Amino acid sequence: ETGVTQSPTHLIKTRGQQVTLRCSSQSGHNTVSWYQQALGQGPQFIFQYYREEENGRGNFPPRFSGLQFPNYSSELNVNALELDDSALYLCASSSDLDRAGAGELFFGEGSRLTVL
Amino acid sequence: ILNVEQSPQSLHVQEGDSTNFTCSFPSSNFYALHWYRWETAKSPEALFVMTLNGDEKKKGRISATLNTKEGYSYLYIKGSQPEDSATYLCAFEETGGFKTIFGAGTRLFVKA
Repeated sequence: ETGVTQSPTHLIKTRGQQVTLRCSSQSGHNTVSWYQQALGQGPQFIFQYYREEENGRGNFPPRFSGLQFPNYSSELNVNALELDDSALYLCASSSDLDRAGAGELFFGEGSRLTVL
Repeated sequence: ILNVEQSPQSLHVQEGDSTNFTCSFPSSNFYALHWYRWETAKSPEALFVMTLNGDEKKKGRISATLNTKEGYSYLYIKGSQPEDSATYLCAFEETGGFKTIFGAGTRLFVKA
């Protein structure tokens, strides 16, 4: 069983640039959630994708966007980067089949974004 | 705005000490409460998921309890070991929701 993988692990961008982060979900999982973890905070929910559709969104501006592909992998895109976007971005996959019992999230190790 | 609070923010204990952390969450529209363990440079891993008031879960030296009526959960570690050093996150799911809301975590340091 393949776990959740994220790429890149680290990257540095400058203000105003755009970034794409990638996530391969765990085998058999059709739901992907993205979280932002800033220093000293818990993971903040950005959005969730279920079967290629956005299924819900947290309190993030539209310059944060995403995609989910037919193989359930996902991308997080951030446009017009700001200094405050510097954070660890976590991807987590889950299966809707687990929903009846409350869905455990399976996390990747994250992508560390630094905006200068 | 749904808020999940964890205390303490950090904790330093000696090997062999027993310790506990608190997670507070909204008591209305409860669906599930999760505990995750997050070691440095690794990914968060699920410890427990609890759905019923009064639930108690145990995994080795770690156990958790749940009170949905008053909106809190405790995580206990008996006889802490250096390998228990990690951040412990709790996360709340509400009924009909689509997102899991995390607390800021409790950072545990266990000194040998």
